[in-house]
Amino acid sequence: EAGVTQSPTHLIKTRGQQATLRCSPISGHTSVYWYQQALGLGLQFLLWYDEGEERNRGNFPPRFSGRQFPNYSSELNVNALELEDSALYLCASSFDRVEQYFGPGTRLTVT
Amino acid sequence: KQEVTQIPAALSVPEGENLVLNCSFTDSAIYNLQWFRQDPGKGLTSLLLIQSSQREQTSGRLNASLDKSSGRSTLYIAASQPGDSATYLCAVAYGQNFVFGPGTRLSVLP
Repeated sequence: EAGVTQSPTHLIKTRGQQATLRCSPISGHTSVYWYQQALGLGLQFLLWYDEGEERNRGNFPPRFSGRQFPNYSSELNVNALELEDSALYLCASSFDRVEQYFGPGTRLTVT
Repeated sequence: KQEVTQIPAALSVPEGENLVLNCSFTDSAIYNLQWFRQDPGKGLTSLLLIQSSQREQTSGRLNASLDKSSGRSTLYIAASQPGDSATYLCAVAYGQNFVFGPGTRLSVLP
C-alpha cells in the first residue's frame, strides 16, 4: 500500500511569491491535514480537509489556504510569502479521523 | 489553552539502556494520544496510538501509558539501539484539534 506522498520535495521561492504544495493521501483516506514545522519549533496545525470540505484551520493568516479535490488529494497555497514561512510542511491523511499517517514533507525556503 | 510539553528536550544514552520519555498535557479531555518518531528533515512515523479509554499500548520494544487524570503519558523504550535515534513527538487529539509537543531528541550511542 502506497503511503502519503507530497510534492515537491523542496521548493525555493522569493518573498512575495506564491507557493503551491501538493499531497496525495493513502488510498481510502478521506481526511487530509496540513502542518507547518518551522526550524526549532513544534508542529503547528494549519488545515484539515475532509470529504472535500475545510473542517478546521489553525491560527494562521488567510494567505494560507488550500483545497481538497474529489480524489481526496489536497493542495496548500501560501500567498505573499514571507521569510518566516520557511519551514517543513507536512501532510497527513486519515481514514477514521483518529490515526494520522504522515508524508515525507515539502521543505519550503523563502529568500 | 491546550498545551503539550515533553521532558526531557534531549536525551543521550548508551546502547542497551531502557529509557522513558514523558509527555504532559494541560487539558485532560483528550480524544486520543499518539506517539511519533521523526528522523531529521523527514515526516513522522506513527509508533503507538492510545485511545482515551485505554491505559497503555505496546508494540515490540515500545510501551506507551496514559494517565488522563494527571495529564501524562510516558513512552518506554526497552533495550535501546542506535537505530532508535530520532526525535519523538507526542500528539494529543482534542476532537479534531491535534496538539503536538515539541519533541524529545534521542541519541543512542553505540
